[in-house]
Amino acid sequence: AQSVTQPDIHITVSEGASLELRCNYSYGATPYLFWYVQSPGQGLQLLLKYFSGDTLVQGIKGFEAEFKRSQSSFNLRKPSVHWSDAAEYFCAVGARSNYQLIWGAGTKLIIKP
Amino acid sequence: DTAVSQTPKYLVTQMGNDKSIKCEQNLGHDTMYWYKQDSKKFLKIMFSYNNKELIINETVPNRFSPKSPDKAHLNLHINSLELGDSAVYFCASSLRAGVWDGYTFGSGTRLTVV
Repeated sequence: AQSVTQPDIHITVSEGASLELRCNYSYGATPYLFWYVQSPGQGLQLLLKYFSGDTLVQGIKGFEAEFKRSQSSFNLRKPSVHWSDAAEYFCAVGARSNYQLIWGAGTKLIIKP
Repeated sequence: DTAVSQTPKYLVTQMGNDKSIKCEQNLGHDTMYWYKQDSKKFLKIMFSYNNKELIINETVPNRFSPKSPDKAHLNLHINSLELGDSAVYFCASSLRAGVWDGYTFGSGTRLTVV
């Protein structure tokens, strides 16, 4: 069955430190992969997406993600976090068969001053 | 200027009431969605319309009924509200079903049933 796992319910990092949020997926074919961010009280905003080609994709707000087929992973990274990055982050996989996005449970990012 | 707008932003109502949430998008997208986000932030797809045709109808109570008068609008009507319906409901749109360009979300409607 198709699924997306975000192993970390929450992560705490210091402002200025680097960040990596993990995402693992289970999908038979080449997946469409997405990262979304949800700031408190807001809707979800697309950070970046991967369809094919270069496995390192750049997104908005200084984020990047790397697709690793051998590990079924699509981890999100940022070299230096800012307090405004505190939010909930969701990984998602596009299932071609039924037009649906399959969502991870989200990772809450907490920034220490 | 708002791409996907939902109204109302907050809705507090008593059990047993009927309420509606409205959603409009001005992106020219063909496909629209309703999601429910529970208190643990889990996102559950409820419905999706592609150019006014229902294409996703997940297992939700019959009390929930979507209506799409045109491809720019997707409303959600809820009958006989229950405490468990309390959640944040998000509307979203995408270019068209099967084109994986990403979704654009509204800012959500926080429904509280008391």
